Amino acid sequence: SQQGEEDPQALSIQEGENATMNCSYKTSINNLQWYRQNSGRGLVHLILIRSNEREKHSGRLRVTLDTSKKSSSLLITASRAADTASYFCATDGQAGTALIFGKGTTLSVSS
Amino acid sequence: NAGVTQTPKFQVLKTGQSMTLQCAQDMNHEYMSWYRQDPGMGLRLIHYSVGAGITDQGEVPNGYNVSRSTTEDFPLRLLSAAPSQTSVYFCASSQRDRGGYTFGSGTRLTVV
Repeated sequence: SQQGEEDPQALSIQEGENATMNCSYKTSINNLQWYRQNSGRGLVHLILIRSNEREKHSGRLRVTLDTSKKSSSLLITASRAADTASYFCATDGQAGTALIFGKGTTLSVSS
Repeated sequence: NAGVTQTPKFQVLKTGQSMTLQCAQDMNHEYMSWYRQDPGMGLRLIHYSVGAGITDQGEVPNGYNVSRSTTEDFPLRLLSAAPSQTSVYFCASSQRDRGGYTFGSGTRLTVV
């Protein structure tokens, strides 16, 4: 079974707005990661947050992690049309040897 | 650096045929994984390896074999292709304890 579940499944916003995606997972983790996938392409690593961290920033990205609720959120501020993509959360589980992905959130940013 | 290279990019197989999807990385990463991506299912882990000579099963290993004789290469073998194996396959690698994975560009496989 898949570890992470993203919410919402699809999100449509206007350029300049913020986009928030949520991820829930089932088991203990060492870290949680977010990836972006443009249509027809491979996945690109965006950001990693470790289990002992609560918040992390990278450019326009802000990730939070609540291990007590087994949930994470990805905030993209001031969205651009180029942010249109699918976003996936992934967790490494206790062994930390491979990632388990959720089903993803499809983000559409219109200009 | 080339990163993670997957070949071929596209493949059509007949039911019952066998083939090997190639994956090579030039970053000296210990961890390598294979995923399949189907519409609405996200990515599902097929097999993974934590180093040369060590492999393990993921979420959906049936119908696939792997081996890891070198750090660089991690081929995925389909023993007897079935239409249910029609999918896009991704290989990924990571350095131990670094976390972030580098993905290949994928192999789009159709089994007819």
